[in-house]
Amino acid sequence: DAGITQSPRHKVTETGTPVTLRCHQTENHRYMYWYRQDPGHGLRLIHYSYGVKDTDKGEVSDGYSVSRSKTEDFLLTLESATSSQTSVYFCAIRTGETQYFGPGTRLLVL
Amino acid sequence: GESVGLHLPTLSVQEGDNSIINCAYSNSASDYFIWYKQESGKGPQFIIDIRSNMDKRQGQRVTVLLNKTVKHLSLQIAATQPGDSAVYFCAENTGPKTGTASKLTFGTGTRLQVTL
Repeated sequence: DAGITQSPRHKVTETGTPVTLRCHQTENHRYMYWYRQDPGHGLRLIHYSYGVKDTDKGEVSDGYSVSRSKTEDFLLTLESATSSQTSVYFCAIRTGETQYFGPGTRLLVL
Repeated sequence: GESVGLHLPTLSVQEGDNSIINCAYSNSASDYFIWYKQESGKGPQFIIDIRSNMDKRQGQRVTVLLNKTVKHLSLQIAATQPGDSAVYFCAENTGPKTGTASKLTFGTGTRLQVTL
């Protein structure tokens, strides 16, 4: 599992509420990624980080923000959750060109 | 349950048979490819990778074949076991090898069902 944990693993929330998902890694990897996974789509990149305080947008970044204040933690925030953000969220780290994934967070927005 | 795989193509094989899972990739400039396995309720797990300067790479019970002419990748699993039941998808590096622009593009996957 490349030393990656995600929390919470499951969450149910209501439309309009803020939600923060946490990705924690223990192996000092520079690159970290947030993806969402939905039926009919491959994994889609939301945001990524290439160092502390260094982040950039992916292909589906609208409605999401991220922060990385220390190497081991990469946070994904839904400022005001919508039903379209119901999904499974995966964090990944990168070594070389290969990415390794965490166990995922299932988010249901009612 | 696993909602991600509702609309996936499914390959059903008998235990002990060989499985072949295919993937068509999009970018002729891609030079690095990965196969992942995803079991229900879990994160994708790295299986094997291959670079574009190779046609074939073998691992333990798995072989990846790359045909750059037709932009096709396949994963062969020998002597398929019940524990191989999962969704398999390919990924390609559509950008530079290194740096911030190095990113993976993922396929939607194939569900492998192993029957006893």
